[in-house]
Amino acid sequence: QKEVEQDPGPLSVPEGAIVSLNCTYSNSAFQYFMWYRQYSRKGPELLMYTYSSGNKEDGRFTAQVDKSSKYISLFIRDSQPSDSATYLCAMSASTGGFKTIFGAGTRLFVKA
Amino acid sequence: GAGVSQSPSNKVTEKGKDVELRCDPISGHTALYWYRQSLGQGLEFLIYFQGNSAPDKSGLPSDRFSAERTGGSVSTLTIQRTQQEDSAVYLCASSLEWGGSQNIQYFGAGTRLSVL
Repeated sequence: QKEVEQDPGPLSVPEGAIVSLNCTYSNSAFQYFMWYRQYSRKGPELLMYTYSSGNKEDGRFTAQVDKSSKYISLFIRDSQPSDSATYLCAMSASTGGFKTIFGAGTRLFVKA
Repeated sequence: GAGVSQSPSNKVTEKGKDVELRCDPISGHTALYWYRQSLGQGLEFLIYFQGNSAPDKSGLPSDRFSAERTGGSVSTLTIQRTQQEDSAVYLCASSLEWGGSQNIQYFGAGTRLSVL
């Protein structure tokens, strides 16, 4: 079993839809949770960062962490064609040397 | 610099040749990371540096891969005797420190390596 599981998609939605992207993980020691956005032929760009459990909102983006279920989500409201990209979750722990583990990424297409 | 800079952006080489990939991290960032991303795949950790030291080389696929960092800044990833399976995007990232909330990584645009 991989430490971090992420559905690769692709996920195709109409413009204006609410998008839900998710990751599950197995290591209960993870404390730091990140979401990156990667456009084609570009490097990953940090979108959201959350420490421990709870919600964090930034504009149209909301990150949620449920440590009891070992499940994290990224919600995108009022999705735009410019949101079309691959979204990678990432997480790290204070044990194991803080190595960051990345999900495989979910490819998202937002149709105009 | 303003962001992580990688060069070259694209590299085409022949099987058996050596290649060097360069990474210039964000100024002041002490930790530096190398990853490999194959088409449609996630990020494969290769190595990280804290300063000029590499405490974790566990991800290097074989002894053909090596990396160094000098002056706590620029890093070079070297692949000797390249093979076709080495074709991938090589990404470099840097973070303020190694550990805790300072571990947030910022990525360069990557070097796309094609081995013919």
